Amino acid sequence: DAGVIQSPRHEVTEMGQEVTLRCKPISGHNSLFWYRQTMMRGLELLIYFNNNVPIDDSGMPEDRFSAKMPNASFSTLKIQPSEPRDSAVYFCASSPQGQVNTNEQFFGPGTRLTVL
Amino acid sequence: GEDVEQSLFLSVREGDSSVINCTYTDSSSTYLYWYKQEPGAGLQLLTYIFSNMDMKQDQRLTVLLNKKDKHLSLRIADTQTGDSAIYFCAESRTGNQFYFGTGTSLTVIP
Repeated sequence: DAGVIQSPRHEVTEMGQEVTLRCKPISGHNSLFWYRQTMMRGLELLIYFNNNVPIDDSGMPEDRFSAKMPNASFSTLKIQPSEPRDSAVYFCASSPQGQVNTNEQFFGPGTRLTVL
Repeated sequence: GEDVEQSLFLSVREGDSSVINCTYTDSSSTYLYWYKQEPGAGLQLLTYIFSNMDMKQDQRLTVLLNKKDKHLSLRIADTQTGDSAIYFCAESRTGNQFYFGTGTSLTVIP
């Protein structure tokens, strides 16, 4: 398996623009997580899905952020409009919840977002 | 991470042992994990321990769990320069949610 795939790996955009980050989880995993990592706040959980349904989005910073999971093999995280303080590395992770006891999360390589 | 605490930095000399500590708050955690993040990469699972265990050893890695004090540690024996990375502890609570610590940046001095 190729692991969790994220695209793009790097994104540079200007303030006010829409940004869409993409994630393909590991095939067969039924849980998907979006995290944001910054120096100031460390690793923060933004939202997670179970069987394509959003379970907890309390970590989403504000209405400018939205996430979707239209099917089991694809998820997007959208920021509209983007702001410089959104600059961070965004990670997607997937997990085979309920299929193995450990519920290990497998992380993608991340998308480094820079908003100018 | 919510209520999962780690010291931010640790420096050790190559060949010495490293001990990275973590405290957590939820006594109902079922599994506790150590993840490693190398520069420019995502997090990779190093090892985990089930909450009814006190210790787990895996080659150079030793995990100690003190459930009474809610304290988790990771010991790396014979630390190498390739071990330089950020190490995150995490706990798995109800459902599938993980709570990650702040991460400890380990620097190995040659």
